[in-house]
Amino acid sequence: DTGVSQNPRHKITKRGQNVTFRCDPISEHNRLYWYRQTLGQGPEFLTYFQNEAQLEKSRLLSDRFSAERPKGSFSTLEIQRTEQGDSAMYLCASSFPGQGIGHTEAFFGQGTRLTVV
Amino acid sequence: AQKITQTQPGMFVQEKEAVTLDCTYDTSDQSYGLFWYKQPSSGEMIFLIYQGSYDEQNATEGRYSLNFQKARKSANLVISASQLGDSAMYFCAMREGLGTSYDKVIFGPGTSLSVIP
Repeated sequence: DTGVSQNPRHKITKRGQNVTFRCDPISEHNRLYWYRQTLGQGPEFLTYFQNEAQLEKSRLLSDRFSAERPKGSFSTLEIQRTEQGDSAMYLCASSFPGQGIGHTEAFFGQGTRLTVV
Repeated sequence: AQKITQTQPGMFVQEKEAVTLDCTYDTSDQSYGLFWYKQPSSGEMIFLIYQGSYDEQNATEGRYSLNFQKARKSANLVISASQLGDSAMYFCAMREGLGTSYDKVIFGPGTSLSVIP
């Protein structure tokens, strides 16, 4: 296993179109996170999964955004009716459960850069 | 309210010198983790160092050390003997709610470090 994998790496779409991104986490990690990062800013939390359960969604995640993680393996993030403000890097990360105290860093994929024109 | 504050948008350091990047955080949890990540211009997020809230000793990883002052809620990153390859964005992050439904990692706005030859 070579780490967290995200596809595609780049996506250019016209405003109003739907897009879907995929994330394959490290296989033994049951936590999976989605973040959005705009230029010059830190990653903003969007949502996260423990196994197949989506446990929290940020207020940033409008109704146009939906994320799934069927069977607790890979995850998809879909944006419907894209807007220019959706242009950003979308990062996926995975980690161990974090029960108790432990080395629980999140491992990141290389991201999907979305440009809405 | 900001959970993670990094007050230095940009920093310069001479090659081979040490530099301290500031980070303060806000949480009411007793159990939490603090991380530093490096993001070079290529965009990947690279984990550098971890400090658990119950760790009594400051974490060290090679040239990186974390100056953890729990009472002041600060977790500054110290990079010794700076190298040109250290030029990047540096993000402080916190994982709170360990093992609960609101367990997530949140990031600060970042500090841009430039190493001068």
